[in-house]
Amino acid sequence: QKEVEQDPGPLSVPEGAIVSLNCTYSNSAFQYFMWYRQYSRKGPELLMYTYSSGNKEDGRFTAQVDKSSKYISLFIRDSQPSDSATYLCAMSASGAGSYQLTFGKGTKLSVIP
Amino acid sequence: NAGVMQNPRHLVRRRGQEARLRCSPVKGHSHVYWYRQLPEEGLKFMVYLQKENIIDESGMPKERFSAEFPKEGPSILRIQQVVRGDSAAYFCASSPEQGRGIAGELFFGEGSRLTVL
Repeated sequence: QKEVEQDPGPLSVPEGAIVSLNCTYSNSAFQYFMWYRQYSRKGPELLMYTYSSGNKEDGRFTAQVDKSSKYISLFIRDSQPSDSATYLCAMSASGAGSYQLTFGKGTKLSVIP
Repeated sequence: NAGVMQNPRHLVRRRGQEARLRCSPVKGHSHVYWYRQLPEEGLKFMVYLQKENIIDESGMPKERFSAEFPKEGPSILRIQQVVRGDSAAYFCASSPEQGRGIAGELFFGEGSRLTVL
């Protein structure tokens, strides 16, 4: 079993739709949970960053972490064509090794005008 | 506004040649991390460096790969005698300091894409 599982998609939605992206993980030591957006041929860009369980909202984006189920989600409201990208979940343990991010493979999202 | 700068953006090498990838961190950042993204795979941690020190190279292959971050100049990831399996995107990230919660403070560059013929 991989440490982080993420459905690669592709996922295609109409503009304005609510998008739900998710990852599951197996390592209970993970404490930091991140979502990155990666446009084609570009580097990952941090979207959301959450410590431990709970919800975090930033504009049209909401990140949820359920540590009891080892499940994290990213919701995008009122999706826009500019949201078309690959979304990577990432996580790490706390403490000195927190720079060692474990990434999912990414979900490719297309938002159709 | 200088983010993490990587060059070259694209590099083509024949099997057996050497590849050198360079990374200049965000101004003021003294910590550099290299990650590799193989085709159809997630990014994988390779190495963490501070100026003149390798802090953690647990993710780096034991042979042919080396990394440095000299006192002056960019960090260098060096791959000797490249093979086709080294074809990947290599991403550099930097952070201002290492400590708790640093995971959310990694800024990634746009990557160097290595193709081995």
